[in-house]
Amino acid sequence: GDSVTQMEGPVTLSEEAFLTINCTYTATGYPSLFWYVQYPGEGLQLLLKATKADDKGSNKGFEATYRKETTSFHLEKGSVQVSDSAVYFCALSEGSYIPTFGRGTSLIVHP
Amino acid sequence: DAGVTQSPTHLIKTRGQQVTLRCSPKSGHDTVSWYQQALGQGPQFIFQYYEEEERQRGNFPDRFSGHQFPNYSSELNVNALLLGDSALYLCASSLAPGPSSYNEQFFGPGTRLTVL
Repeated sequence: GDSVTQMEGPVTLSEEAFLTINCTYTATGYPSLFWYVQYPGEGLQLLLKATKADDKGSNKGFEATYRKETTSFHLEKGSVQVSDSAVYFCALSEGSYIPTFGRGTSLIVHP
Repeated sequence: DAGVTQSPTHLIKTRGQQVTLRCSPKSGHDTVSWYQQALGQGPQFIFQYYEEEERQRGNFPDRFSGHQFPNYSSELNVNALLLGDSALYLCASSLAPGPSSYNEQFFGPGTRLTVL
């Protein structure tokens, strides 16, 4: 079945550092790919998405490119802020339109 | 716009008891999905309701049941609670499911259930 694998956290960075959170997936067809963010005490929010190969999703300075050849959708940001501290979930959906989530990666940004 | 709301925020139950969690969808949404998020894990899909019927179901036992009301709000019921049911239960609302583009789900803050 479909699955998503994310790098384990926590990822700890200083403010203004470059961020990469790795995500790879397994799917039978051609899924849509997503990154969600969960701030402390809140529900998940959709951060960005890509629906086909080579698409780049972007939002709030975050980017991720749908790489079919490497089945990856890595999340990047050029300069993180303390306010980016949260848990980030990679997810995919196909067919049923119900997302399958990875385990999440905690990001901690220090001033 | 109030967004997705859930109640209660926290709940403590003992093994064998039954629990009911509630969710009000975002204004204009007619579809509600429920997820279980164990500590340190990603959300796992339980089921989805649309037009007051269960439309899709994840790999959860029959102890997990739900209901959707005419105003689109929803309840999640769990019977015969087990210690392993301790988790954050998330509700998400969206527009009607369909074969077109993905309909973004908006998540509530969740209900933290602890089973002792």
